[in-house]
Parts: sequence; C-alpha cells; structure tokens
Amino acid sequence: GAVVSQHPSRVICKSGTSVKIECRSLDFQATTMFWYRQFPKQSLMLMATSNEGSKATYEQGVEKDKFLINHASLTLSTLTVTSAHPEDSSFYICSAQGQGDYEQYFGPGTRLTVT
Amino acid sequence: GNSVTQMEGPVTLSEEAFLTINCTYTATGYPSLFWYVQYPGEGLQLLLKATKADDKGSNKGFEATYRKETTSFHLEKGSVQVSDSAVYFCALTISSASKIIFGSGTRLSIRP
Repeated sequence: GAVVSQHPSRVICKSGTSVKIECRSLDFQATTMFWYRQFPKQSLMLMATSNEGSKATYEQGVEKDKFLINHASLTLSTLTVTSAHPEDSSFYICSAQGQGDYEQYFGPGTRLTVT
Repeated sequence: GNSVTQMEGPVTLSEEAFLTINCTYTATGYPSLFWYVQYPGEGLQLLLKATKADDKGSNKGFEATYRKETTSFHLEKGSVQVSDSAVYFCALTISSASKIIFGSGTRLSIRP
C-alpha cells in the first residue's frame, strides 16, 4: 500500500513554455502533499506544502507565481512550472501524507530539462 | 532549530564489508527518525524508521537504533552487496504535521 505516482517521469520543454507535473496517491487519501526539488548530488529541498482544498504554503525563496501548486482532490496534486528557464531544470519529487500520519510516501520523481 | 547531520560521502566499500553511515540530529521535542534510500534515477524509498528512544528500525539487513543520549541514528549493515549502491538520507520529523528535515545524503558505492 501507500503508493505515490508521478507523471511524467521525464519531460523536456523549451524555454518560456510551461510544464505540468502530476502527483497521485493511488491507494490512500493524501490530505497533505509536498513538493521537493533536488539538484544533482544534493539533498531534497522542500518547495511547498499543500493541503487539499487550500492554497499551498511555499518555503522561503520559492517563487509561488513561478511554481504553481494545485491540490484539488485527496489523490491529486499538480506542480506547474511556468515560463520555464534552463535553471529550472531539476529533479522534482512529490510526497503524500495521510491524515494524522507522520510518514510521507514519495513519488518516483520527474526529471525536467529545459532547453 | 531542527537539523540532521550525516556522514559525508562518497563511501566506497567492497562487497561483504561492514557498513556504518553516521547520522546525528538536533531537535526540539521528540522526533521520529528515518533512513531513506534513493537508487539512481529514482525517488526516495523509506528504508527504516524509529519513533522513540531505544527503538531499532530494521529492513533488508540494515539497522539503526534511536539513541537519545547521543542524539544519533547511525545506519549499519553487516555485509553489503553491490545492489546496496545508492544515496542514503537520514531524516527526522517532529510531528505528523511537520515537514521532513533531511540530511545532505551519503552516496554509497559497493565494488564487486
């Protein structure tokens, strides 16, 4: 149980375009979802926390107008990278957490390359 | 504040060697402690966890004991395999409502 999927697993887009990444909890209801960014050979950096039906809470230094997060249902959250630039190229990982659960379940990640 | 400090890598060992990856933490309150593993090109998988002092988490031959007196949660395995090559992250949370605090990760490479 506790499976989280991400789609797509890899995406290449041109500079200036927007790209959407989906995160789904397949077998449980995720009241909270988290979005992380990971640079090569580095740890995960939390970008934002989203609770179903409410606005995401962004970490300091993360541009909320650039990284749009929607958590419209208990099984789906999306991250949209708007007007992407090469410096946005990274590995994006989501995680999901059920009500009252301290454990987060991680998705397999999405590698974004902006050309 | 809350933080996790883990052994810097990379760590390179021969197959069947004994592994220790050190992890210490600073936390307000009573954290839950975790080890996550990330295989190349993949997301994170929970390897093991411990939620209170003196608990021992174990999985796939790996073990870690929650030591409150030394604020440590060192990862050990008696005999590593090539398939254990990955990046290992030590982490903590304070409560179910709090975010995970990750260590910087330790890259482990096992030689056949």
